[in-house]
Amino acid sequence: GNSVTQMEGPVTLSEEAFLTINCTYTATGYPSLFWYVQYPGEGLQLLLKATKADDKGSNKGFEATYRKETTSFHLEKGSVQVSDSAVYFCALSPGGTSYGKLTFGQGTILTVHP
Amino acid sequence: DAGVTQSPTHLIKTRGQQVTLRCSPKSGHDTVSWYQQALGQGPQFIFQYYEEEERQRGNFPDRFSGHQFPNYSSELNVNALLLGDSALYLCASSFLDEQFFGPGTRLTVL
Repeated sequence: GNSVTQMEGPVTLSEEAFLTINCTYTATGYPSLFWYVQYPGEGLQLLLKATKADDKGSNKGFEATYRKETTSFHLEKGSVQVSDSAVYFCALSPGGTSYGKLTFGQGTILTVHP
Repeated sequence: DAGVTQSPTHLIKTRGQQVTLRCSPKSGHDTVSWYQQALGQGPQFIFQYYEEEERQRGNFPDRFSGHQFPNYSSELNVNALLLGDSALYLCASSFLDEQFFGPGTRLTVL
């Protein structure tokens, strides 16, 4: 079946540091890949997505590239801010008749200190 | 434009009871999905409704059931509650592509 594995957390960084959160997946076919963010007390918000191999999703300074050869979708940001502190989830959606059925990783807690 | 709304925000039940959670999708969205998020875990897909029918289902027992109304709003019902059903229940609505999530209902089973 489909699965998503994220790097172990939590991650603690100083403001303006470089961020990488690793994500690898297992899926049949050609899934779409997503990063969601969850701020304290709030629901999930889509951060970025990529729908095919070599696509790069980007938003708010965050980037992730769909690497089919390594089955990865690592999240990066060049300079984090305190306001980026949240839980980040990598997810996939299979194609075909299972479209929209998201499979999530376990989440990575990010804390950014001033 | 209101986003996805869920009610109630919090709920406390005892083992063996039944619970109903409600979701109103984002305007124009015709598909509603439900997820269970245990503490410290990623959300797990329960089921998805489209045109008032269950279109897909995850690995959840039959105690979990749902309904979608003609206005696309949806309910999640859980019977014979277990302690392990304590979680944040998220509703997501979509139209063709991206899913938008509601803030969730926190269910505590004592």
